[in-house]
Amino acid sequence: GIQVEQSPPDLILQEGANSTLRCNFSDSVNNLQWFHQNPWGQLINLFYIPSGTKQNGRLSATTVATERYSLLYISSSQTTDSGVYFCAVAINQAGTALIFGKGTTLSVSS
Amino acid sequence: NAGVMQNPRHLVRRRGQEARLRCSPMKGHSHVYWYRQLPEEGLKFMVYLQKENIIDESGMPKERFSAEFPKEGPSILRIQQVVRGDSAAYFCASSPGPEAFFGQGTRLTVV
Repeated sequence: GIQVEQSPPDLILQEGANSTLRCNFSDSVNNLQWFHQNPWGQLINLFYIPSGTKQNGRLSATTVATERYSLLYISSSQTTDSGVYFCAVAINQAGTALIFGKGTTLSVSS
Repeated sequence: NAGVMQNPRHLVRRRGQEARLRCSPMKGHSHVYWYRQLPEEGLKFMVYLQKENIIDESGMPKERFSAEFPKEGPSILRIQQVVRGDSAAYFCASSPGPEAFFGQGTRLTVV
């Protein structure tokens, strides 16, 4: 099956810093999503991005499907950005289970 | 439009009891997925259902676990004769198409 690797596994930042999280996957995919799991355990959708670039406020994401990786950029980080960031992929666009990476744990301190 | 609703949020069961976890998908969503998150691990797929049909149960343990999504009412994940290793967070997701939306999860503790 598809392997999903996220890096770095842990990241510690001061408030205001920028960061880049990476997701590598081992096979062609037609579905890729980024999620933020906050300290209360809730999974929040960040991006649905099987290819291309999207931006939402301080967050942006880029997926280069041909090279099998995706990047999540967080600018001007805030303490509320703390939590675990998951990348999840699927072979099919819909109707197929998502395969999750192990996540990047981000801690932002003030 | 309410999000994916899961209940209960927390569930404590003694070894050997049954656990029933409920999931109401977002309005208009016909696809329901269940995932399990064990401590220190990512989320693992368990089962994919559409109304009255199990489409893919390749991630379900062979024994004690079952799932349904009836014509009326929520999807149910049922765990019979729970053991301590079943303690985990169980998430339900629904989707109208490619993008999946997750509920807040049910945290099951087996004592």
